[in-house]
Amino acid sequence: RKEVEQDPGPFNVPEGATVAFNCTYSNSASQSFFWYRQDCRKEPKLLMSVYSSGNEDGRFTAQLNRASQYISLLIRDSKLSDSATYLCVVRGSNYKLTFGKGTLLTVNP
Amino acid sequence: GAGVSQSPRYKVAKRGQDVALRCDPISGHVSLFWYQQALGQGPEFLTYFQNEAQLDKSGLPSDRFFAERPEGSVSTLKIQRTQQEDSAVYLCASSLVQGGGTQYFGPGTRLLVL
Repeated sequence: RKEVEQDPGPFNVPEGATVAFNCTYSNSASQSFFWYRQDCRKEPKLLMSVYSSGNEDGRFTAQLNRASQYISLLIRDSKLSDSATYLCVVRGSNYKLTFGKGTLLTVNP
Repeated sequence: GAGVSQSPRYKVAKRGQDVALRCDPISGHVSLFWYQQALGQGPEFLTYFQNEAQLDKSGLPSDRFFAERPEGSVSTLKIQRTQQEDSAVYLCASSLVQGGGTQYFGPGTRLLVL
């Protein structure tokens, strides 16, 4: 079993739609959780950290359920510019980032 | 300010050739990481430097892979006797603090081994 598993995708949604990504992780000792965004042929960029209390940044909401080892990302009112691959990322007590395979989102006009 | 830079951006190598990939981290960043991203996959950890010390090389796939950061700033990832399975994007990341902190990624070097 991979350490971080994500929805396989791809997701194709119209502009304005709400889309949710799900992710599970296997290492219960994981301490930090993130969503990164990666545009085609570009480097990953931090979208947001994920906290146990849940956190929101504009149209983006992230949730963490430590008991279920489950992370989610919700994008509301999706824009064309949201088209990208979304990477679920976990860090243990050390420094290593462990990435999921990524889920490709395409927002259509 | 300047972000992480990597060179070359693209490299085509013949099987068996040695290659060297360079990473210039953000100035003052203590931690430096190398990741390998195969097509359609997420990045996978290769190695970690804290200043000039290589503290973890557990992700290096074979002894053909070697990384160094002799003065605690620029790092080089060297691959000897390249194989087709080495074809991937090699990403470098740096962070300000030891170990933790936000990792900022460079644009990567896209290596194709023929």
